[in-house]
Amino acid sequence: EVQLVESGGGLVQPGRSLRLSCAASGFTFVDYAMHWVRQGPGKGLEWVSGISWNSGNIGYADSVKGRFTISRDNAKNSVYLQMDSLRAEDMALYYCAKGRGLDLNYYFDYWGQGSLVTVSS
Amino acid sequence: SYVLTQPPSVSAAPGQTARITCGGNDIGRKSVHWHQQKPGQAPMLVIYYDSDRPSGIPERFSGSNSGNTATLTISRVEAGDEADYYCQVWDNSGDHRWVFGGGTKLTVL
Repeated sequence: EVQLVESGGGLVQPGRSLRLSCAASGFTFVDYAMHWVRQGPGKGLEWVSGISWNSGNIGYADSVKGRFTISRDNAKNSVYLQMDSLRAEDMALYYCAKGRGLDLNYYFDYWGQGSLVTVSS
Repeated sequence: SYVLTQPPSVSAAPGQTARITCGGNDIGRKSVHWHQQKPGQAPMLVIYYDSDRPSGIPERFSGSNSGNTATLTISRVEAGDEADYYCQVWDNSGDHRWVFGGGTKLTVL
């Protein structure tokens, strides 16, 4: 059974940093791209970032480019999102999602339950 | 950047058919994927590559894609289908990125 478990969310002041983690199990992690998608309060889904199987291809939404950094550790079956210079508009539930193939352009077939990030002073 | 447009809400009585549209420029040339999100839950894939269903998704869920509109059709609607539905495409023009539609709330009357 595929499981994606996010952690690392919490309350953070504007301008500070936070690192999210997603622990994956139930599939061969190295064979798939991974993504982060967020959902603001009462809002829709927004793709944040994605990383290919070998970290060779990485993408970011314009709204986070230059502030967020995605990475993965295939030995630990984990993907991370380093979020710097956080803003109020970054406040959201952050989902980890599994791609259906090696690269970024495969659809998402599994989602985690999300990790809540609150940005407030 | 590529934009996907969905109606904010759609309603259908139990047993009827609900159709949720997703509009985009020449979307028929792209592959469209659909995710269902029930209240308080994570999204779940219900249709991929325009019309394919993951295992476990009822045959009542179907999809089509042509021209400037993709459609998710839910036949014989049930109370348990009430959820938000999001279309998704890969935008390979310029910076490569994933794009979601704004979402459609399906209300079962």
